[in-house]
Amino acid sequence: QKEVEQDPGPLSVPEGAIVSLNCTYSNSAFQYFMWYRQYSRKGPELLMYTYSSGNKEDGRFTAQVDKSSKYISLFIRDSQPSDSATYLCAMSDNNAGNMLTFGGGTRLMVKP
Amino acid sequence: SAVISQKPSRDICQRGTSLTIQCQVDSQVTMMFWYRQQPGQSLTLIATANQGSEATYESGFVIDKFPISRPNLTFSTLTVSNMSPEDSSIYLCSAAGGRGELFFGEGSRLTVL
Repeated sequence: QKEVEQDPGPLSVPEGAIVSLNCTYSNSAFQYFMWYRQYSRKGPELLMYTYSSGNKEDGRFTAQVDKSSKYISLFIRDSQPSDSATYLCAMSDNNAGNMLTFGGGTRLMVKP
Repeated sequence: SAVISQKPSRDICQRGTSLTIQCQVDSQVTMMFWYRQQPGQSLTLIATANQGSEATYESGFVIDKFPISRPNLTFSTLTVSNMSPEDSSIYLCSAAGGRGELFFGEGSRLTVL
């Protein structure tokens, strides 16, 4: 079993839909949680950062962390074709950046 | 956040040759890392580039194959040595942001014929 599980998709939604992307993990020591967006032929871009449990909102994006269930989510409201990308979750048990564990990524396609 | 520049952005190389990828960060950072991303796959950590000392390699990666330099706090290089088609991949430079997050360069897409 992988330490971080993420459905690879592809997930196809119509423009304007609410998108839910999820990751589950097994290591209860993880405290730092991130979502990255990666466009085709580009490097990963940090989208959301959350420490410990709770919600964080930034524009159309909301990140949720449920440490009791070892489950994190990224919600995208009013999805746009420009949101079409691969979304990778990542998490760590320290803030040094040297032990980041990535999910496999979910490919999202938003159709106009 | 850190802005990371990598070059080359892509290259096509012949089997048996070596290629050096350069990574420049726009600010001083303590920790820099090199990742590999194979087509359709997630990211695999190759090594931590340590300033002033030898890089720390992950299991499955060795210094003879992937020598790394880190002469200062803003620059690093990764060399892919004696390349084979199996080395065709995207190589990503990253820098730690200080809260546990990483910032990535645009990647260097390597094709080995």
